[in-house]
Amino acid sequence: EAGVVQSPRYKIIEKKQPVAFWCNPISGHNTLYWYLQNLGQGPELLIRYENEEAVDDSQLPKDRFSAERLKGVDSTLKIQPAELGDSAVYLCASSLGWGGGPANTGELFFGEGSRLTVL
Amino acid sequence: EDQVTQSPEALRLQEGESSSLNCSYTVSGLRGLFWYRQDPGKGPEFLFTLYSAGEEKEKERLKATLTKKESFLHITAPKPEDSATYLCAPPWGKLQFGAGTQVVVTP
Repeated sequence: EAGVVQSPRYKIIEKKQPVAFWCNPISGHNTLYWYLQNLGQGPELLIRYENEEAVDDSQLPKDRFSAERLKGVDSTLKIQPAELGDSAVYLCASSLGWGGGPANTGELFFGEGSRLTVL
Repeated sequence: EDQVTQSPEALRLQEGESSSLNCSYTVSGLRGLFWYRQDPGKGPEFLFTLYSAGEEKEKERLKATLTKKESFLHITAPKPEDSATYLCAPPWGKLQFGAGTQVVVTP
């Protein structure tokens, strides 16, 4: 079974440029998450989707960050314009959510992340 | 505001030297917990879900336990391949992860 796929793995841009990250979750996973991880820190939730609906985007800096999940499958996270402080790893995760079956432990499956460097 | 606190921040072990990592919530009690392992340059990898106080789960050399206030991840007779950052998070709300404990196991 394919895992969560993210692209690009690495991106280097100048400040004030736009950047977009793409995520393809595990097939059948209705819940999709975008996290930000700074060096030496744990992941911080940016936005959570249930199917196509953003059910928690309270920590998404909406002045420059946007996200969408069309058709409830793939998702894109965009930053425009990027700032120096946006340099981090952007992680995507998906899950069945709770109650998804007897084997469902509610766990999140993470992609390998997209590392952004803003110069 | 609740915060997830993990300790210690870093742990250096000799191969075979058992130890424990801690995860706690600063305000309210724990009502379940995820444990994850993260290798450098990779996304976190699921280890355990603990649902209620008193629950224990094991996987190879790892054993996770949960009380009402905190959780422990015990590493028994670790091997170098157990070197990683171990993260915890409550399975609800913001799914806020702790900063992690970086474990290095030397031969």
